[in-house]
Amino acid sequence: ILNVEQSPQSLHVQEGDSTNFTCSFPSSNFYALHWYRWETAKSPEALFVMTLNGDEKKKGRISATLNTKEGYSYLYIKGSQPEDSATYLCAFLSNSGYALNFGKGTSLLVTP
Amino acid sequence: EAGVAQSPRYKIIEKRQSVAFWCNPISGHATLYWYQQILGQGPKLLIQFQNNGVVDDSQLPKDRFSAERLKGVDSTLKIQPAKLEDSAVYLCASSLGTNIQYFGAGTRLSVL
Repeated sequence: ILNVEQSPQSLHVQEGDSTNFTCSFPSSNFYALHWYRWETAKSPEALFVMTLNGDEKKKGRISATLNTKEGYSYLYIKGSQPEDSATYLCAFLSNSGYALNFGKGTSLLVTP
Repeated sequence: EAGVAQSPRYKIIEKRQSVAFWCNPISGHATLYWYQQILGQGPKLLIQFQNNGVVDDSQLPKDRFSAERLKGVDSTLKIQPAKLEDSAVYLCASSLGTNIQYFGAGTRLSVL
C-alpha cells in the first residue's frame, strides 16, 4: 500500500472564493495521478488523469498541476460555486502495480 | 453511453449474515474493480479483474470475501459472514486498461 496524503481534510469557503488542495504521493515509480470528484449519493467522477511532470490540466473553473519529482499535485478551483461542494480524491498509480492508491480526500463545502 | 450499474444502493444486515453486491460495467470495458470505502478513508481496492481473470486480490479478506466475474462482464462481490467492520460503501468501477476508471454509485452496507 502506497502512502497518498491529501490536505486539507476539509474546507469551507464562500461562493466566489478560489481555493486549492494538495495531494502528495511517492516520487518514485510514478505512472499516473488521478483526480476524482465525489458528490454525495453520486458516482465518483474523473476530473483529470495526469502522467507527465509539469502537466497542467484544466476543465472549466478547475485546474490541476503535477510535480512528479517532488511528489505533489495541486487542484485549483476558481470562483467556487455551491455545486462544487463534494469530496475531491486523488489517486496514485505506480508503474510497478495495477491498483489506484487513493488519498482520504478533501471535503469541500461552498456556501452562498 | 450507460454508466456502471450497481445494486442494491443500500443494504442493512446483522453481523454473521451474508450479503452480495452486483455490478454491471460499461460495455466493452475489460477491467473491473471493486473498492471498499470506509467512512473517513479513501477507497481501497479489494479486487481487480481483467476480463474474467483476477489481476490483483491482495487486499481481499479471502476468509469472508469472494468475487467472481462470469463471462468477463457482470461481477458479484459476496461477504459471508459479515462483521461490523465491513460497514462501508462498496464501489465498482470499470476501465479500458489503466486509464480513467468509471465508477458506479456504490452500495452502502451497514452491518448491525
